Amino acid sequence: EVQLLESGGGLVQPGGSLRLSCGASGFAFSNYAMNWVRQAPGKGLDWVSAVSGSGDTSFYADSVKGRFTISRDNSKNTLYLQMNSLRAEDTAVYSCVKAGDPSVTGTRGVGNWFDSWGQGILVTVSS
Amino acid sequence: DIVMTQSPDSLAVSLGERATIHCKSSQTVFYSPTNRNYLAWYQQKPGHPPRLLFYWASTRESGVPDRFSGSGSGTDFTLTVSSLQAEDVAVYYCQQYYDTPRTFGQGTKVEIK
Repeated sequence: EVQLLESGGGLVQPGGSLRLSCGASGFAFSNYAMNWVRQAPGKGLDWVSAVSGSGDTSFYADSVKGRFTISRDNSKNTLYLQMNSLRAEDTAVYSCVKAGDPSVTGTRGVGNWFDSWGQGILVTVSS
Repeated sequence: DIVMTQSPDSLAVSLGERATIHCKSSQTVFYSPTNRNYLAWYQQKPGHPPRLLFYWASTRESGVPDRFSGSGSGTDFTLTVSSLQAEDVAVYYCQQYYDTPRTFGQGTKVEIK
């Protein structure tokens, strides 16, 4: 069974930094692209970032580009999201999400559909 | 960016009746070399993370009841619940994975009438 467990969230002041972690188990972690997807309170789903299985390729939403950095440590089965220069509009539940079949081709970017989601962790940016 | 637009924003359906949700992409998500539509559907119940229902627009994820079906191609897609059950009350999202950034529809809230 796939398990994804986020940690590191909390309250931070505008302009501050936070590092999220996601521990993964139940699948061959290094074979799969991984994502961060966020959901502001009462709002819809918003893709944030993706990283390839090897960790050498990453993509970002324009809203976080230059402020957030996704990375992974395949030896620890852990995904990270370093968030700097945080803004009030970054307030959301952040979920670690596993991509689907790694053999899929024809898509731009990394990964494809989102087949397993963590429970999410709340990040609140407020003074 | 590919904009995904769902309709309606919400709908109320009687138990046992059909619920139909539409999703339209601002450009095609069909890739001819693979002959596939790069579109997924998710269900999100209150207080829970989303659950994958379909990928490739119509391939049902394991464990999804067969009263759910996905269809469509190109820019127009449909999620249908043939006989709505109480446990189907949720918000449903479409998502394209043809291009980056990955984008979602705004969600459709399904309730019992």
